[in-house]
Amino acid sequence: QVQLVQSGAEVKKPGASVKVSCKASGYTFTNYYVHWVRQAPGHGLEWLGIINPSGGSTGYAQKFQGRVTMTSDTSTSTVYMELTSLRSEDTAVYYCARGQSYGDCGAWGQGSLVTVSS
Amino acid sequence: QSALTQPASVSGSPGQSITISCTGTNSDVGGYDYVSWYQQHPGKVPKLIIYEVFNRPSGVSNRFSGSKSGNTASLIISGLLPEDEADYYCTSYSPRTTPLVLFGGGTKLTVL
Repeated sequence: QVQLVQSGAEVKKPGASVKVSCKASGYTFTNYYVHWVRQAPGHGLEWLGIINPSGGSTGYAQKFQGRVTMTSDTSTSTVYMELTSLRSEDTAVYYCARGQSYGDCGAWGQGSLVTVSS
Repeated sequence: QSALTQPASVSGSPGQSITISCTGTNSDVGGYDYVSWYQQHPGKVPKLIIYEVFNRPSGVSNRFSGSKSGNTASLIISGLLPEDEADYYCTSYSPRTTPLVLFGGGTKLTVL
């Protein structure tokens, strides 16, 4: 079955960086895009960006341009999302989700809690 | 402020039908048939319940349906059940902007 397994919770200080992984299984890794979405405590869902594991092309939300980098490793069927210059407002659960370029995310990772605190 | 506008909350009694609206522009909702809806229970992962305006993934109850008119998409839930109480989010493809995928602010459904 399709599975996306994310890395564990992280606690970071303001100004630091975090790198979250998302390992895919149960489907052909390069046939689907992977989106990254986050949810701050008590808030709604927010789209960060997308990566096409076939070739590695990416697209980022303007809000995160310059701070976010998404990469993929086809040898391990894993995608990564790195967010730099962390601030307290980046405290959230970060999700990876498999879908099409236009959305339709039918499979989600379990979420990775990133806490930014001094 | 979210790019797509949803009501903050809706409510209904068991057995009733409710509609959740999702309003965008002709650059997103109105321009493409790539509207999705997600259901999220507290502390849980979002679940895709409608894709490409009106399609249901395998395993999703046919009590959930979707439609679109102009710049507004709608999620209709019929025969409300207590387990339908959750947050619902719409999304739309928006290729002329970044973000590429827009989310609505979410709607809290309360089953009275």
